[in-house]
Amino acid sequence: ETGVTQTPRHLVMGMTNKKSLKCEQHLGHNAMYWYKQSAKKPLELMFVYSLEERVENNSVPSRFSPECPNSSHLFLHLHTLQPEDSALYLCASSQDPDNEQFFGPGTRLTVL
Amino acid sequence: GENVEQHPSTLSVQEGDSAVIKCTYSDSASNYFPWYKQELGKGPQLIIDIRSNVGEKKDQRIAVTLNKTAKHFSLHITETQPEDSAVYFCAAETDSNYQLIWGAGTKLIIKP
Repeated sequence: ETGVTQTPRHLVMGMTNKKSLKCEQHLGHNAMYWYKQSAKKPLELMFVYSLEERVENNSVPSRFSPECPNSSHLFLHLHTLQPEDSALYLCASSQDPDNEQFFGPGTRLTVL
Repeated sequence: GENVEQHPSTLSVQEGDSAVIKCTYSDSASNYFPWYKQELGKGPQLIIDIRSNVGEKKDQRIAVTLNKTAKHFSLHITETQPEDSAVYFCAAETDSNYQLIWGAGTKLIIKP
């Protein structure tokens, strides 16, 4: 148990659906991250929040929309996704942006 | 920008033998190099890291070496055990931003 939880663990959605991924950290950290993990590829950083403000947005399509209502919670809102968006979405947190990152177990997303 | 190459993509070793995973990076300004281990169904977890002011760091059966001149760093696992079976990721980070640039991962298989 890393102190970072993600729900749901698995999600299947159609291309016209709207869904949200949730991440919660119980570590008192100030920074939170969303990553996309595809098979045999490096982890792709999508978004970084520090003290609830977005500090990085790595050219992610607008069909992915993050939300950080407080330092313990992070959401990723999904709409009109494509099949190539199917992947494992990992949430992580760290005390500060340049400290060790603690990862949740991920949400396995399948887009039909 | 930074690019991290990791080799091999799959490594199979006999239990009790040593395993070595290598990474190269492109940005000479990188100064922080963590290694993460990802077990099935879990997110990556930091196992060891090294900063550019040292050439080697050891923690029990795990060691990391860094060659800044050649821009490569390696993970060494000695006396491998079945629980070492996992996917291992290297990463590199510079002070100029908060992004970890990740390698593509190495699947380590420990044969009994």
